[in-house]
Amino acid sequence: QPVLTQPPSSSASPGESARLTCTLPSDINVGSYNIYWYQQKPGSPPRYLLYYYSDSDKGQGSGVPSRFSGSKDASANTGILLISGLQSEDEADYYCMIWPSNVVFGGGTKLTVL
Amino acid sequence: QVQLQESGPGLVKPSQTLSLTCTVSGGSISSGSYFWSWIRQPAGKGLEWIGRIYTSGSTNYNPSLKSRVTISVDTSKNQFSLKLNSVTAADTAFYYCARVGYKGVFDYWGQGTLVTVSS
Repeated sequence: QPVLTQPPSSSASPGESARLTCTLPSDINVGSYNIYWYQQKPGSPPRYLLYYYSDSDKGQGSGVPSRFSGSKDASANTGILLISGLQSEDEADYYCMIWPSNVVFGGGTKLTVL
Repeated sequence: QVQLQESGPGLVKPSQTLSLTCTVSGGSISSGSYFWSWIRQPAGKGLEWIGRIYTSGSTNYNPSLKSRVTISVDTSKNQFSLKLNSVTAADTAFYYCARVGYKGVFDYWGQGTLVTVSS
């Protein structure tokens, strides 16, 4: 099972942007997979935010604001979730996911909005 | 609006079988090209995919759990189920059921149910 590496924590101030990363192992090319992002708040199930494959192949979850966006950094073999215009309600755990042959989740990043 | 609801015992003894059911409402489990999945999360930890089933009965399981897991579907009841045998304390977790929609997205989730493995 591949391991997706996410920083355990990240923080930013309201109005700023948060860049959350999801690094794939070297034997899995980020360019070949959809990168999915989920948000989870305490006591609630995860909520689908978006998936990103390329600028021409991406999708946003129902009701998810456009200030949530995805991208990839091929040089770092990393998927990226960018949250712009941070709000206090964005404080949550964020999980990335890929689906090569089986679903794999990253360990999650706890985002604190200071 | 599709809704999913997990049900089953909240306490299971070690070495026994964990059994959960997910009831789907707001739509037929057989309509559309959807998979139905189970995911778990130990308290305070990350998500772990358990497996998925199509309404034809075709299944895929997490290799790390495959030897102990069975997922089944009952279209007449609009339900799908999870059985995990030979449980240990390491199987204590919140268990979620979810629908796999377009592009492999987990688009609808149940609220989750806590299963504790303890004697």
